[in-house]
Amino acid sequence: GAGVSQSPSNKVTEKGKDVELRCDPISGHTALYWYRQSLGQGLEFLIYFQGNSAPDKSGLPSDRFSAERTGGSVSTLTIQRTQQEDSAVYLCASSRLGGTYVGYTFGSGTRLTVV
Amino acid sequence: AQKVTQAQTEISVVEKEDVTLDCVYETRDTTYYLFWYKQPPSGELVFLIRRNSFDEQNEISGRYSWNFQKSTSSFNFTITASQVVDSAVYFCALNRQGGAQKLVFGQGTRLTINP
Repeated sequence: GAGVSQSPSNKVTEKGKDVELRCDPISGHTALYWYRQSLGQGLEFLIYFQGNSAPDKSGLPSDRFSAERTGGSVSTLTIQRTQQEDSAVYLCASSRLGGTYVGYTFGSGTRLTVV
Repeated sequence: AQKVTQAQTEISVVEKEDVTLDCVYETRDTTYYLFWYKQPPSGELVFLIRRNSFDEQNEISGRYSWNFQKSTSSFNFTITASQVVDSAVYFCALNRQGGAQKLVFGQGTRLTINP
């Protein structure tokens, strides 16, 4: 697609429920990144994918968080047993490896509210 | 470990004033990239500039200019003759070169330009 697409744009969930956030990167972008931005805070790295593998998962805050990427394209970030501190905007970005540098393109994010 | 520090949490100036946003970074890598992003109230991250660690030339783009000084590990951003539309949160970021690399962000500086 023309840009990085994230869905849903907004999600309100009850504490303890599981949620899935989706990221559809730009076609041909091999690298995909997940970040979290809490209210008034900077961007916190969660995980990145190179193709379907995740060389760096160091930013995932707990084992309730997991992510996968299939077909080198769409990625899903899953949060199990959500807690109120999980409330944040979850941003996805993609970039192309090799060739002319095109930079990171960020999606508009999913605003997650845990009540 | 990599770290980016933006000591100025919030800055407020009157339109047409010049304003400088500070960014100090830490890295053990000899080659790296530095970035600035703008996040307007709508929330999307807008790429402004990428600077290679071996290129210390200052850059000017319209009213924007960047001063990269390796000796002080700083990459400051100046807006000349500020405008209300410049109001946003600005993030400085760093990543190492090579392959898919995560961006490490500073905490951001909220800039408010008052008419």
